[in-house]
Amino acid sequence: AQTVTQSQPEMSVQEAETVTLSCTYDTSESDYYLFWYKQPPSRQMILVIRQEAYKQQNATENRFSVNFQKAAKSFSLKISDSQLGDAAMYFCAYRVLGGANSKLTFGKGITLSVRP
Amino acid sequence: DAGVIQSPRHEVTEMGQEVTLRCKPISGHDYLFWYRQTMMRGLELLIYFNNNVPIDDSGMPEDRFSAKMPNASFSTLKIQPSEPRDSAVYFCASSFELADGFGGEQFFGPGTRLTVL
Repeated sequence: AQTVTQSQPEMSVQEAETVTLSCTYDTSESDYYLFWYKQPPSRQMILVIRQEAYKQQNATENRFSVNFQKAAKSFSLKISDSQLGDAAMYFCAYRVLGGANSKLTFGKGITLSVRP
Repeated sequence: DAGVIQSPRHEVTEMGQEVTLRCKPISGHDYLFWYRQTMMRGLELLIYFNNNVPIDDSGMPEDRFSAKMPNASFSTLKIQPSEPRDSAVYFCASSFELADGFGGEQFFGPGTRLTVL
C-alpha cells in the first residue's frame, strides 16, 4: 500500500523568507503523480503544484517549486518570498496513474505560519 | 464553471439521526470522490466513482455509511444512524481522465462540516 509521510507537524517562516516543507512516500509503482495541496482557514483544498514521476525536471509554479528525488522517494515543497497569505495547512499527496486507481493518498499535513 | 458544489456547508444533528450530504461535481468530470477529514486521521478517502459507478468503497467506515451517484451531476453520502465519532469535515472532489490516459487534477468542494451531538 502507498503511504505518504509528513513528519513535521508545524513550521514557521518570516515573511519574505524561504521555507521548505518535507514529504516522503512509499510505493512500488514506477509511474505516479505527486501533489501539494494548500488548505487555508477557509477549508478549501487548493492545488499548489503537481509533479509527474516520469519527469526528471522539478515542477515550478511562480514562488512554489519542488525538489523531487525519485530514488529517495522524497518530494519537498519550497516556498520563496513567503507571504502572509501562504499561512495554511499543506498536504502532500500521491496517486498512481489513471484508471481504476485514481484515488489520492494524503499525508497528515503540516501547518505553516508566516510571521510578519 | 462554479466548481464543485457541496451542501449543506454545516450540519449539526443529534446522535441517531440520518444525515445526507450532497455533491454536484464539475460538469464533464467523470470521477467523483468523497473524503473525510478529522484531526486524528487526517484526510481519508471514503469512496470514489467513475462514470457514476462505485470503484473503490474500501474506505467507507461501516454499514452506516452509504454513497450513491444516480447521475453524472449528483452524488450523496448518507450516514444512518449518525454517531458523535462521525463528526468531521466531508469533502467531495471531482476530476477527469485526460485523453492520454493520465489523470487530471482533483478539484475539491468547500466541504461540509458535520457535528453529531
